[in-house]
Formats: sequence, structure tokens, C-alpha cells
Amino acid sequence: DQQVKQNSPSLSVQEGRISILNCDYTNSMFDYFLWYKKYPAEGPTFLISISSIKDKNEDGRFTVFLNKSAKHLSLHIVPSQPGDSAVYFCAASLNAGGTSYGKLTFGQGTILTVHP
Amino acid sequence: DTEVTQTPKHLVMGMTNKKSLKCEQHMGHRAMYWYKQKAKKPPELMFVYSYEKLSINESVPSRFSPECPNSSLLNLHLHALQPEDSALYLCASSQDGMLAGVETQYFGPGTRLLVL
Repeated sequence: DQQVKQNSPSLSVQEGRISILNCDYTNSMFDYFLWYKKYPAEGPTFLISISSIKDKNEDGRFTVFLNKSAKHLSLHIVPSQPGDSAVYFCAASLNAGGTSYGKLTFGQGTILTVHP
Repeated sequence: DTEVTQTPKHLVMGMTNKKSLKCEQHMGHRAMYWYKQKAKKPPELMFVYSYEKLSINESVPSRFSPECPNSSLLNLHLHALQPEDSALYLCASSQDGMLAGVETQYFGPGTRLLVL
């Protein structure tokens, strides 16, 4: 049962344009969502997060949007740069009275390629 | 500073060997994690330590044995591994581990393990 899904395995964008990465989840108990960026053979690097009490969080070129009714979040990168080319994972965690604390559920990842 | 360090970067071991992976953080975080990541897959949680106590074991085989000597260090002892255990092993840490759903986990670069 895949509770966090990234349905697009890859995305190709021109430099300077907007990149939109999407993520859907099924567990309505998730209350904290994160985006990580990963280069090959390296650990995931934290990018941005959003709590379920918000619908938008912005940090520089990165904005995350959360639509709780649709159980959908997206990451917008604008303007996209060639250095943004990497695998992007969305992840979710849930507050279940402490019994599942610290457990992140990851999506399958989306490979973003930004062309110069 | 959000650095998590891991040693070694690469490890090749035979199925009868005993080896250890090490992870260190100096952010004052009290929760530390081990993840396993196979190629083209998302990270999968193995263990969670909170305040130096094992709080989550995701049904990991006993040939993997975690140890948390103090709040800054996390080890993963390996014994009698199988070739299918070859993967990238990631360590992560977060502030508390008790505040489910509201914490960001910071990842180390990983140890690339090959079991022959």
C-alpha cells in the first residue's frame, strides 16, 4: 500500500521556466510534509516543508502548496536552474499519539532535468 | 549547521564478514534514524532511536544490529549479510523524535554497501 505517490517518474523543464512536481497521499492522518532533493550516491537534502495547518510555504525559489481536501501537494521551483536537476522526493509523517513518531513515508521520486 | 556525517563512504564485504557503519551529528538532535535505499527506490526506514533508546524497529532482520552509544553517535553493526542487502544506507537525525509530525529529518551522505 503506497501511501505517498509521485506519479510522474520524470520531468523535463527549460532553464528559467517553472518546475512543478506533484505528490498525492492517501492517509489523512499525515500532518507534516517535506520535499527532499537527492543527487546520485548522496543522501537526501532537505528543501522545504509544510505543516497541515498551512496551505502554502515559500522559501526563495521554492514554494510548496498543500491541498488537504485533495490530499495533494506540489513543489514549485521558479526560476528553474540546471543545478536543480536531481531526484525529488516528497515525504510525509503523521502524528499518531507518539507511536509512529519520526517515521517518514517517502514517495517514489521524480527525476527533474533542467535544460540550459 | 545541519550536517550528518557517515563513515565509511563505501564498503565491500563478504557474507561471513562483520562490519559496522557509523553516523555522527553535532546538532544536539535527540532522534537518529537508519534508512536503506535501493536503486531507483525511496528510502525505507529501518530503525529509530529517540533519546538513545530504540523506539522503532521496522521488522529488520537480526543480521542488522543498531547501537546508539550516545546522543551524537549511531552505529549499524552488520553480520552475515546477503547480497540482496547491498544498498545505500542512510543515517538521519531530527531535533527530538517525540514530536511526531512536526520535525525535519536531516540526512547524511550515506554508505554505499556491496555484499559479495
